[in-house]
Amino acid sequence: GAGVSQSPSNKVTEKGKDVELRCDPISGHTALYWYRQRLGQGLEFLIYFQGNSAPDKSGLPSDRFSAERTGESVSTLTIQRTQQEDSAVYLCASSLVQGWSTEAFFGQGTRLTVV
Amino acid sequence: DAKTTQPPSMDCAEGRAANLPCNHSTISGNEYVYWYRQIHSQGPQYIIHGLKNNETNEMASLIITEDRKSSTLILPHATLRDTAVYYCIAGSNNQGGKLIFGQGTELSVKP
Repeated sequence: GAGVSQSPSNKVTEKGKDVELRCDPISGHTALYWYRQRLGQGLEFLIYFQGNSAPDKSGLPSDRFSAERTGESVSTLTIQRTQQEDSAVYLCASSLVQGWSTEAFFGQGTRLTVV
Repeated sequence: DAKTTQPPSMDCAEGRAANLPCNHSTISGNEYVYWYRQIHSQGPQYIIHGLKNNETNEMASLIITEDRKSSTLILPHATLRDTAVYYCIAGSNNQGGKLIFGQGTELSVKP
C-alpha cells in the first residue's frame, strides 16, 4: 500500500479481554515503531523494531504488553487482560532505515476503548 | 535525547507566516532536529529535519541558529489546514532512532 496501515481502526473491548492490534508498514521499511496516545496527551513511545528484532522495549508499560514483527513486515501489538487505563489511540510508524536521518511515516492509529 | 522546549500554544492569521520556536540548548553535535505535526484525529506527519544547515522543502523552512541551541519552523503562508500540534524533537542514531515527542505547540490559524 501507499502508506502505513493499521487495523482495526476502532476496537471496543471488555476489561480483562486480550486484544491484538495490527500494523502493516510501508513495503521495504526496515524500522517500525509503536506509540500510545491517551486522550489529550502527547505520544508515548512503546517499542521499536529493526527488522524483526526489538532492540528497545523500554516503553512497554507492563508485562501485559508484547509485540512481535515477522517477515520484516507486519507487526502485532498484543495487550493481555486489558484495563481501562489502556484506552488510547495506538499509533504505528515505519521508516526506511532505523535512525535519525530518515523520516517516519505514521498510520492513522487504532482507537482502543476498554469498557 | 536532547530535551526540547516549545510554547504550548500560538495563533497565526491566515495567509501570514507562522514562526514556531524551539529551544534545544543541550543538543549535542550529532543530534538532528526534527519537526512533525499532528492534525486533530490523525497520525503525526513529518515536516522537515536538519542537522546544522537551514533547510527548506515544499511544506516549510527550518532555521537553526549557529550554536544549534534553538531553531524556528516557518510556515510561509499559513492556511486553516495548518492548524495542528507541532512537535520539535532532537535526537541521534545513538538512541536507536526512536522519536521522543514532547507536548508540542498547538498552532491555531485564524481567518
